[in-house]
Amino acid sequence: DTAVSQTPKYLVTQMGNDKSIKCEQNLGHDTMYWYKQDSKKFLKIMFSYNNKELIINETVPNRFSPKSPDKAHLNLHINSLELGDSAVYFCASSPGLAGESTDTQYFGPGTRLTVL
Amino acid sequence: EDKVVQSPLSLVVHEGDTVTLNCSYEVTNFRSLLWYKQEKKAPTFLFMLTSSGIEKKSGRLSSILDKKELFSILNITATQTGDSAIYLCAVLQGAQKLVFGQGTRLTINP
Repeated sequence: DTAVSQTPKYLVTQMGNDKSIKCEQNLGHDTMYWYKQDSKKFLKIMFSYNNKELIINETVPNRFSPKSPDKAHLNLHINSLELGDSAVYFCASSPGLAGESTDTQYFGPGTRLTVL
Repeated sequence: EDKVVQSPLSLVVHEGDTVTLNCSYEVTNFRSLLWYKQEKKAPTFLFMLTSSGIEKKSGRLSSILDKKELFSILNITATQTGDSAIYLCAVLQGAQKLVFGQGTRLTINP
């Protein structure tokens, strides 16, 4: 009964390929996020969706495209992978947009992407 | 530029010691400050602090926020080897954006 799940857990691929990472949450949350954690363990937000609508889009190359088919899913598609894309990608979710009780973000287990 | 700075970056202590981890921030549209513990995989939520001066406690862990001086501390008393992890401080901004610090790597030796 994992709350926030991601697939795959590990992804090894060649430069130039296109790949997708899937995220699902069964918490009934309205908001989902993608974060990137680099080799120095620094976590940085990439995107946020609320009820399938994009609300945060940080300075991320447009090779990265999030897709939210419904509010329980937020997938990350990456085109033309580059060496610098190697990192751990975390999905997270939170209950909503307003109010203290809705602010806590819960993280998935992460996907370690290695680009060769 | 919004930033969250944690100190120390790394800390090694013996089991039973008490540790204090620091987090200072300069961000716009502050909503709350969160502490996470990251072991091998996903960050797991510890505390969320919104009001100044109110201590939050969970077992041997406690945390407090000072919104005037823009910092928070996380205390761990009677440390155990299972407390070894990276502790992440993050500030939540207006539209649900979490800005993370670089983390403190805590190692507890038996």
